[in-house]
Amino acid sequence: DGGITQSPKYLFRKEGQNVTLSCEQNLNHDAMYWYRQDPGQGLRLIYYSQIVNDFQKGDIAEGYSVSREKKESFPLTVTSAQKNPTAFYLCASSLSSSSYNEQFFGPGTRLTVL
Amino acid sequence: AQKVTQAQTEISVVEKEDVTLDCVYETRDTTYYLFWYKQPPSGELVFLIRRNSFDEQNEISGRYSWNFQKSTSSFNFTITASQVVDSAVYFCALSGGETSGSRLTFGEGTQLTVNP
Repeated sequence: DGGITQSPKYLFRKEGQNVTLSCEQNLNHDAMYWYRQDPGQGLRLIYYSQIVNDFQKGDIAEGYSVSREKKESFPLTVTSAQKNPTAFYLCASSLSSSSYNEQFFGPGTRLTVL
Repeated sequence: AQKVTQAQTEISVVEKEDVTLDCVYETRDTTYYLFWYKQPPSGELVFLIRRNSFDEQNEISGRYSWNFQKSTSSFNFTITASQVVDSAVYFCALSGGETSGSRLTFGEGTQLTVNP
């Protein structure tokens, strides 16, 4: 089945450690996105990539890094510089970077910093 | 800058009631797209509908209907004869424009609880 997979579903990290969240899609989509969701709030854009080997900062990129070496993969690293990393992280993809295209979402990764 | 406001944080209804979720947006772009997504307890967002800024026709899909009014910058979502399975968080989102492209600006969401 086509879709977006994120792993792991739950992730625990000690303060001061970097951690990488996985996002893979087999929809052959060009564009991919990372969002952060805090309790009772909407989604905020961290990074997005319109095409392989290219990505741009979103609204809250500080303390995060990404790479886009393959079309189907867009991993997100939460670094120790991120001051409040505990949140629900959602990855999404769309056919292209056109504003017309809806985004498809993965099941999310819930990160908890201990 | 784009902005989406969902003033209703939580709504609770009894099964079979009709319920309307409000969405108001702000944008300077002349071409833009509005979306509604559903987030069930599992967490994954599910796409419900897209509407472009040039199409003000209302849309109905089963028990769901959407009312887009450009004059009031609103894109409201109505569920008719609500069911327990409709319980979820619903997000309104906006994309479009020369600078925003496919980037989505989300409202803060409305938590809908349908009680049996």
